[in-house]
Amino acid sequence: GAGVSQSPSNKVTEKGKDVELRCDPISGHTALYWYRQSLGQGLEFLIYFQGNSAPDKSGLPSDRFSAERTGGSVSTLTIQRTQQEDSAVYLCASSLLPRGSNQPQHFGDGTRLSIL
Amino acid sequence: GQQVMQIPQYQHVQEGEDFTTYCNSSTTLSNIQWYKQRPGGHPVFLIQLVKSGEVKKQKRLTFQFGEAKKNSSLHITATQTTDVGTYFCAGSNNAGNMLTFGGGTRLMVKP
Repeated sequence: GAGVSQSPSNKVTEKGKDVELRCDPISGHTALYWYRQSLGQGLEFLIYFQGNSAPDKSGLPSDRFSAERTGGSVSTLTIQRTQQEDSAVYLCASSLLPRGSNQPQHFGDGTRLSIL
Repeated sequence: GQQVMQIPQYQHVQEGEDFTTYCNSSTTLSNIQWYKQRPGGHPVFLIQLVKSGEVKKQKRLTFQFGEAKKNSSLHITATQTTDVGTYFCAGSNNAGNMLTFGGGTRLMVKP
């Protein structure tokens, strides 16, 4: 596709349920990032994937959060046993080259997650 | 770790007034990027600055990178309602292995 695609656009779920968020990066982009943005706040880095290298998970807030990237393309972010503080917009971004190569990041529209 | 701070957090201006947001890093940066996020939208890349003291312009927007490469600013001349949104700076450290976003400055323009 032309841009980064994320699904679902909105997700409402009950506390304690698991959720899975999907990101389809721009074709050919090797780097993929997940961020979390709470209402009116900045971007909180979660995880970074580069090609087939081990991901940088340093931003994941707890062991309830995990992510994978299959075949170097589509990525899924999974949150287990959701809590109300997990409510936020989850943004995915991709870039053509690895971080450190001064490439701009292209963002998807995000998934707005609401935990009841 | 690297910290990037932006001020002000919010700014209300009358249409036609100028606006400036400032970005400060706790460490020397290799480069700085600026993004704009419209209300309800996602961040969109505006520009990147790499050289010490660099100044770049995009129409009414002027971007500066400090001489010490630890601060940057975005200045908008004669704001318009289309400028409404949150402006984020994002800096890479010299190792280039992490892009850290500032907290953003939310600009509101009264017509």
